[in-house]
This record gives sequence, structure tokens and C-alpha cells, in this order.
Amino acid sequence: GQQVMQIPQYQHVQEGEDFTTYCNSSTTLSNIQWYKQRPGGHPVFLIQLVKSGEVKKQKRLTFQFGEAKKNSSLHITATQTTDVGTYFCAGPSGNTPLVFGKGTRLSVIA
Amino acid sequence: DAGITQSPRYKITETGRQVTLMCHQTWSHSYMFWYRQDLGHGLRLIYYSAAADITDKGEVPDGYVVSRSKTENFPLTLESATRSQTSVYFCASSGRPNYGYTFGSGTRLTVV
Repeated sequence: GQQVMQIPQYQHVQEGEDFTTYCNSSTTLSNIQWYKQRPGGHPVFLIQLVKSGEVKKQKRLTFQFGEAKKNSSLHITATQTTDVGTYFCAGPSGNTPLVFGKGTRLSVIA
Repeated sequence: DAGITQSPRYKITETGRQVTLMCHQTWSHSYMFWYRQDLGHGLRLIYYSAAADITDKGEVPDGYVVSRSKTENFPLTLESATRSQTSVYFCASSGRPNYGYTFGSGTRLTVV
């Protein structure tokens, strides 16, 4: 079945450093979505990318969808302590429900 | 997200007991999902539903039963709980297929 892989599993950064997490799917995706889960919380939808090569920005967060629609990345510029949490990518293959990656847990050291 | 609620928030049950986790959403979303979250496994789909009276299996359905007699409710039942079902369970809903799931706050289930 479809697999979605994320790297790295963990990332520790100093506040102000940049952070990037990468997502790769075993199959072509109709869209890629990103979610954030704060410690002890639930996943919260951040964004959806649909088009090949699409780039979207939300303040300090930049999301990219690969040309082949099988990979994606999330880049955070100048991390803050409020960025702490686990970031998940997820994608459907056809009409199937979302398959989530295992996430990247971000720790920010003040 | 007050629109989707899960209950209970925490539950401890004994091996072999039946337990039902509740999920209620107020948006009339067609699509509802149950995921479990375990360390090292991320979020895994248990069951999902595209509409009332339509349900389908996900990646890890064994030992679970769902029903959806009303659009707003999607209960998940563990027929005979096992320790391997100790997990955090998240219900989610969406108004469109595979777009922007909204998750409930989760139920932390411990089977002893």
C-alpha cells in the first residue's frame, strides 16, 4: 500500500535557526497536506498543496510540492519556541483517505 | 475546535472488556475517520465513513467495529480490548474528500 516517509524523525534547533522537514510518498499524490501537533494536542491542518511544483508561504513557513507530486518539504525560517511540535505530511492516493507520515518532532531551544 | 468532540478524554479498561469511544461533529461533514496514534507508528487509519451508513476499513481495522447511523456521530467500539489497543485515538472529519481534516482532541485509552 501507499507509504509516506518523513525525515528527519527528530530535530533540535536553537531558537532563530531554520528548520526543514522532508516528505516522500511511494505513489503519486493528488495533493499533499501538512499538519502540526503540539505536545499533548491533536493534529491541526496547516495547508494543502495541489499543483506540481507549487510553493506556498504562511509567514515564516514555506511549503513546497515536488514536480513529480511524490515529495514535499516544509521549511521554517528563524524558528521560535511557538514552533515546537510534530509536523506531519499526509496525502491521498486517488480517493483513499489520507496516509500520514510518521512526523518530524521539532524541539526549539531558547 | 468545538465542532468535533470526543469522549471520554481518558479511559482505562481491562483486557477483554468492550469499550466504545464517541465522536460527534456539528458541521454535518460527510467524511469521518478514526486514527490511532502510537509512538513510532504515527497516525494509522482504523476505519472511515463517507456518509451515514457507509463505512470502510482502513489500515488497522482488526478488533474494532464502527457504525454511522447519523451523519454527526461515528462511534468506535473495541469488542474485546487487548493491551495492544492501548493508544491515543483521534476522530476526524472533513467536508470534502481528502481535504483539510479537522481532528478531535483525542481519547487516551489504556488497556490493563
